[in-house]
Amino acid sequence: KNEVEQSPQNLTAQEGEFITINCSYSVGISALHWLQQHPGGGIVSLFMLSSGKKKHGRLIATINIQEKHSSLHITASHPRDSAVYICAVAGNQFYFGTGTSLTVIP
Amino acid sequence: DAGVIQSPRHEVTEMGQEVTLRCKPISGHNSLFWYRQTMMRGLELLIYFNNNVPIDDSGMPEDRFSAKMPNASFSTLKIQPSEPRDSAVYFCASSFSGGASTGELFFGEGSRLTVL
Repeated sequence: KNEVEQSPQNLTAQEGEFITINCSYSVGISALHWLQQHPGGGIVSLFMLSSGKKKHGRLIATINIQEKHSSLHITASHPRDSAVYICAVAGNQFYFGTGTSLTVIP
Repeated sequence: DAGVIQSPRHEVTEMGQEVTLRCKPISGHNSLFWYRQTMMRGLELLIYFNNNVPIDDSGMPEDRFSAKMPNASFSTLKIQPSEPRDSAVYFCASSFSGGASTGELFFGEGSRLTVL
């Protein structure tokens, strides 16, 4: 049983498309993190959420605590957005999703 | 500002050898995390420290793994003896928080370990 489920696992989009990656979790949490990992391996924290919605540039993250669900949206996607996006939840311990591999084609 | 600094970036060693990975967190951060990433298991939290004290080491795979944080600016993850199944990328991250549940995570670039 995975405490964190992400979908889709793989996603290919044309440049400019609106992208949504979903994360559902089954444990009680105090915060949810969206992480980005580029080819070459470095991991960057995009968002940390405990409620509502956050926006950084073309990236938007939302969380619904009651439904135990979060979404990461990318508007006007660009090839440089190609990466693996990982959802992680922090409760009694950290649980990670298996990641969504995004490829944006020019 | 320098980010989280890990060393070595790459290490290749033979089975049975001792491996020591090092991490310097961001100055002022009070939480430090060690993660391991493999193709099979993805990202896993191994251990985290808060104010230099180990809070949760339930992710440490077995007694061959140990981690220390002697002061706020340095941590080590040691594997002794190493085994081929320990081959992975080991990430260190730090944050300013009251525990694992708060604070944005800042990751180092990782240490890629290969055990032959």
